[in-house]
Amino acid sequence: KQEVTQIPAALSVPEGENLVLNCSFTDSAIYNLQWFRQDPGKGLTSLLLIQSSQREQTSGRLNASLDKSSGRSTLYIAASQPGDSATYLCAFYTGGGNKLTFGTGTQLKVEL
Amino acid sequence: ETGVTQSPTHLIKTRGQQVTLRCSSQSGHNTVSWYQQALGQGPQFIFQYYREEENGRGNFPPRFSGLQFPNYSSELNVNALELDDSALYLCASSWGGSSYEQYFGPGTRLTVT
Repeated sequence: KQEVTQIPAALSVPEGENLVLNCSFTDSAIYNLQWFRQDPGKGLTSLLLIQSSQREQTSGRLNASLDKSSGRSTLYIAASQPGDSATYLCAFYTGGGNKLTFGTGTQLKVEL
Repeated sequence: ETGVTQSPTHLIKTRGQQVTLRCSSQSGHNTVSWYQQALGQGPQFIFQYYREEENGRGNFPPRFSGLQFPNYSSELNVNALELDDSALYLCASSWGGSSYEQYFGPGTRLTVT
């Protein structure tokens, strides 16, 4: 059974810092990986999708990497802003590729 | 292009009642997946419908059932509601039944008292 762990569970940083969110998984037989952002009480916004044959994806100030051999993915946020405050979730397509298995998320707060 | 929509936004039900949640998939998508997210947790996969057929199910009891219509919209039905069913219910649509990027709706907040 796939287990997904996200560290840290919560993070508070001053505006402008570069930061790294970590996601680890136990089963390397994954398909694609997706990072999401969730604002309180809201749905999920897709940030980046890394296909299983890829190692990283970039979008603006965000960069996500995937290392299947070590069972890890990282989300790098450059020059953080207060608007980045949210919960960040990583998720893997498993079980034949038709379902997402989520981590519990990292709650990020960027302070002025 | 219309995104994924869900109705209702919020719902309060009493233990033992039944509830139906609705989801309209994004234009061009033929697959709908449902997830349950308890407070402070990551979403848990309930089931997926692909071209009107169930295409995978998570570890949820049979009182959680679903349906997909010819226009690819979907319903999630929950019978005999329990207090632990209180959660945010998310639906996601995609094209194809496997590993295709899923796009999420805003969710339905269900409270069972």
